[in-house]
Amino acid sequence: KQEVTQIPAALSVPEGENLVLNCSFTDSAIYNLQWFRQDPGKGLTSLLLIQSSQREQTSGRLNASLDKSSGRSTLYIAASQPGDSATYLCAASGYNFNKFYFGSGTKLNVKP
Amino acid sequence: EPEVTQTPSHQVTQMGQEVILRCVPISNHLYFYWYRQILGQKVEFLVSFYNNEISEKSEIFDDQFSVERPDGSNFTLKIRSTKLEDSAMYFCASSGGGYQETQYFGPGTRLLVL
Repeated sequence: KQEVTQIPAALSVPEGENLVLNCSFTDSAIYNLQWFRQDPGKGLTSLLLIQSSQREQTSGRLNASLDKSSGRSTLYIAASQPGDSATYLCAASGYNFNKFYFGSGTKLNVKP
Repeated sequence: EPEVTQTPSHQVTQMGQEVILRCVPISNHLYFYWYRQILGQKVEFLVSFYNNEISEKSEIFDDQFSVERPDGSNFTLKIRSTKLEDSAMYFCASSGGGYQETQYFGPGTRLLVL
């Protein structure tokens, strides 16, 4: 069974800082790893999907990397803004691409 | 932009009652999922559905749960006899035809069992 861990659990930074969120997973035989954003009481917004054959994906100020051999993914957020404040979730599939295992999330607070 | 929709947004029910949670996946998607998130806990996979049958289910998805695609647009999750521990946010998701495609989530249905 895939186990997904996210560190840190919470992070507070001043506006404008670049930051890195970490995700680790136990089973390197993954198909996909997806990063989501969750606002309080809301659904999950997909940010980036990295396929197992890829090393990174970029969307605007976001860059996600994947290192299957070490069981790690990082989400890099450049020039953070108060609107980036949310919980960021990492989800990794196991041998079955249909099934995502989620981490507990990193709660990000970007201070103006 | 196409999105996954879910109804109702909130549901309160008495223990032992049946509930049906409804979802409209993105129209050209072929894979459908239900996940749940108990307050303060991780999002957990419940079931995936493809080609009108369950393709994978978790140990949580016991005989009290069932899924159905009654027509070309809706995807439902039924809980036959709700328990207090079924109280959670239930998310529906869908993805396209390939095995390495993004899963898009709906806004969720918050279920409270009293």
